[in-house]
Amino acid sequence: GIQVEQSPPDLILQEGANSTLRCNFSDSVNNLQWFHQNPWGQLINLFYIPSGTKQNGRLSATTVATERYSLLYISSSQTTDSGVYFCAVSSNRDDKIIFGKGTRLHILP
Amino acid sequence: DAGITQSPRYKITETGRQVTLMCHQTWSHSYMFWYRQDLGHGLRLIYYSAAADITDKGEVPDGYVVSRSKTENFPLTLESATRSQTSVYFCASSESRGAANEKLFFGSGTQLSVL
Repeated sequence: GIQVEQSPPDLILQEGANSTLRCNFSDSVNNLQWFHQNPWGQLINLFYIPSGTKQNGRLSATTVATERYSLLYISSSQTTDSGVYFCAVSSNRDDKIIFGKGTRLHILP
Repeated sequence: DAGITQSPRYKITETGRQVTLMCHQTWSHSYMFWYRQDLGHGLRLIYYSAAADITDKGEVPDGYVVSRSKTENFPLTLESATRSQTSVYFCASSESRGAANEKLFFGSGTQLSVL
């Protein structure tokens, strides 16, 4: 099945810094999403982005499907951005949605 | 707007017992999924369903059974619980493939402890 790798596994930043999280996948995808899991365990959908670029406030995401990667950008980090960020993909071969292991982000005040 | 709800929120059971986790969604989404989350593994797909009466295995299906007699419900049953099934279980739903927006929406999770 499709493999999803996220990097870095952990990231500690000062408030106000910018960050880039990466998601690599091993096969063609028809579905790619980014999620934020907050410290209370809630999973929030940030972007549905199988290709192209989207922006939502301080967050933006870019997926280059032909090169099999996606990037999540967080600008001017706030402490509320802390948590785990997951990338999830579905290949063209089936309907499974498979998650990477996540990037744990800790923003220091 | 109830969305997607899971019950119970917390469950403690003993090894060998059968336990069922419930998932209900009010959006009439075609797809429903069950994941388990364990430290170091992220979220792993257990089973998923494309529509009522259609289910398929995910990455880690052993020891679990699902059914989907109605579009809105997707219960997950552990037929004989083991300690290795101690985990946080998340249910999720999304619209059908090819829909304008295939975003995945999650319930709040069920924290299951098997003693």
